[in-house]
Amino acid sequence: NAGVTQTPKFQVLKTGQSMTLQCAQDMNHEYMSWYRQDPGMGLRLIHYSVGAGITDQGEVPNGYNVSRSTTEDFPLRLLSAAPSQTSVYFCASSPDRGNQPQHFGDGTRLSIL
Amino acid sequence: GENVEQHPSTLSVQEGDSAVIKCTYSDSASNYFPWYKQELGKGPQLIIDIRSNVGEKKDQRIAVTLNKTAKHFSLHITETQPEDSAVYFCAASSSGTYKYIFGTGTRLKVLA
Repeated sequence: NAGVTQTPKFQVLKTGQSMTLQCAQDMNHEYMSWYRQDPGMGLRLIHYSVGAGITDQGEVPNGYNVSRSTTEDFPLRLLSAAPSQTSVYFCASSPDRGNQPQHFGDGTRLSIL
Repeated sequence: GENVEQHPSTLSVQEGDSAVIKCTYSDSASNYFPWYKQELGKGPQLIIDIRSNVGEKKDQRIAVTLNKTAKHFSLHITETQPEDSAVYFCAASSSGTYKYIFGTGTRLKVLA
């Protein structure tokens, strides 16, 4: 099993551009989530999903969209990138709807110029 | 909303000594408390977790304690080794909210 796979690993965007960060898991996990990691601020939840077709907002959802059309995939979309969205983004999954260990991908490092 | 405070932000210990990292949570409904280790360039990896019906859990050199009354939990690493050097995160969640709130992380350095 590959676990949680994130692509790309690195990306540089200009302000105003859009892009999609990809996340796929092959463990048939119901729960998937997106975090951003900034220095001194730990991991902050952006959006999460408890199953295909179900998504909800986390702590810092503004500027990001998600969808969950399949169990395996949970893409994160930046509609109009801003410098404040420069961060490292992590996708995670867990086998149940909550209160379970999460499996993390290795992250996408995103820079917005 | 739920808040998790983690201390210290950095910790240096001599190889073989013990390391303790502490976290405090605000939501009394929190009932699941995982600890993650993050190495450079990698995603966080679960090292140990504890649920609110247990006061202590141990796995070889790693242990976690939970004090529900005081709303704090701690990670204990004994006989530290250089490969324990990493950033450690605590987190808290409660049944039904599906949200994990993370602490701000502790950078542990084990000096050989």
